[in-house]
Amino acid sequence: EPEVTQTPSHQVTQMGQEVILRCVPISNHLYFYWYRQILGQKVEFLVSFYNNEISEKSEIFDDQFSVERPDGSNFTLKIRSTKLEDSAMYFCASSDVQFAEKLFFGSGTQLSVL
Amino acid sequence: QKEVEQNSGPLSVPEGAIASLNCTYSDRGSQSFFWYRQYSGKSPELIMSIYSNGDKEDGRFTAQLNKASQYVSLLIRDSQPSDSATYLCAPNTGFQKLVFGTGTRLLVSP
Repeated sequence: EPEVTQTPSHQVTQMGQEVILRCVPISNHLYFYWYRQILGQKVEFLVSFYNNEISEKSEIFDDQFSVERPDGSNFTLKIRSTKLEDSAMYFCASSDVQFAEKLFFGSGTQLSVL
Repeated sequence: QKEVEQNSGPLSVPEGAIASLNCTYSDRGSQSFFWYRQYSGKSPELIMSIYSNGDKEDGRFTAQLNKASQYVSLLIRDSQPSDSATYLCAPNTGFQKLVFGTGTRLLVSP
């Protein structure tokens, strides 16, 4: 069964450093998303992406964050100048045109900012 | 006002009972509603969708929607220990913007 793949599964970084979280969405999906979940809290929407541009973004997704689809398969989330409060599980998701709200999530990248 | 409100629980039910999970939302423009299940340490997965007022049944799951009251619920019949998870309510609040509630943690005891 096709799945969304995220790498790495765990990322440890120092405060102030830049990190790139990588995702390979399901191959025929056209909508892509990033969500995050701080430990013990809810799954928060960050951004959605379609046709090589951002469709929607939340107030969390400020200038510190950026997304990119550098080639035909990868979808990345860059976090510049990481802060302690960026520590969270980051989920990538994708969906197809026929059922856009059925998001298929990857297993997540646990980001720890020290 | 929060966009999506759910009782965080835990909601404890014995095996075989009906579990009732509730959700209210603030955006009257929401037209479609989704229930996702998240097992501890795992990512969410879609289990039900509902678009019009009334009930929608799928196996042991029934979703109920009342747009006038801005209320959506999920009933799980014949609850099993494997149903123990957090259930996330998610109205579609915009094009490609699914916003999750805090979730209700369900515990089904054998």
